[in-house]
Amino acid sequence: QVQLVESGGGVVQPGGSLRVSCAASGFTFSRYSMHWVRQAPGKGLEWLVVIEINGATTYYADSMKGRFTTSRDHSKNTLYLQINSLTPDDTAIYYCVKEFENDKWFFDHWGQGALVIVS
Amino acid sequence: EIVMTQSPATLSVSPGESATLSCRASQSISSNLAWYQQKRGQAPSLLIYGASTRATGIPARFSGSGSGTEFTLTISSLQPEDFAVYYCQQHYNWPLTFGGGTKVEIK
Repeated sequence: QVQLVESGGGVVQPGGSLRVSCAASGFTFSRYSMHWVRQAPGKGLEWLVVIEINGATTYYADSMKGRFTTSRDHSKNTLYLQINSLTPDDTAIYYCVKEFENDKWFFDHWGQGALVIVS
Repeated sequence: EIVMTQSPATLSVSPGESATLSCRASQSISSNLAWYQQKRGQAPSLLIYGASTRATGIPARFSGSGSGTEFTLTISSLQPEDFAVYYCQQHYNWPLTFGGGTKVEIK
């Protein structure tokens, strides 16, 4: 079955950087666009970015441009999110999510999330 | 950016009763709307997409309707496991956006 397992969360000081990874299994990773969604404690969901199959095409939410970078490695079936210049407002659970099918921009599988605390 | 507004923020319902949740888009999104359920301490899970198509394994008591800017999620005969937070999401254009959520709690 489809599994998305995030890792790399933790406590980071303001101004620091962090890379969250997402190991994918149970489906052909190279055939699906992948997204990141975050959720601040007690708050709603916020879409961050999509990376398409080719790994070169990405679309970021406007507020994420510049500090967030996503990439993917098909040889490792892994998705990455690099976050720089962290602020306390970046404290959230970061979810790796799989698109239902290509160009269907909703999500049928979610990882368990990686908690990032900026303090 | 398309703003998604959900109402009410909290809905108190007795088990066995039905619940009606609303989601409004700031501009027309045709039928490009998804609904998710999030239980405490868990990741969200897909319920409905295309405004009215149930995802695999979703019980028939969940139904979605609407198009354009007004959408509804109806849960008939609420079961104990249905008490959760529900989010709508437009999948019409970038950036993808979610509503603020509706918490369905036990009355």
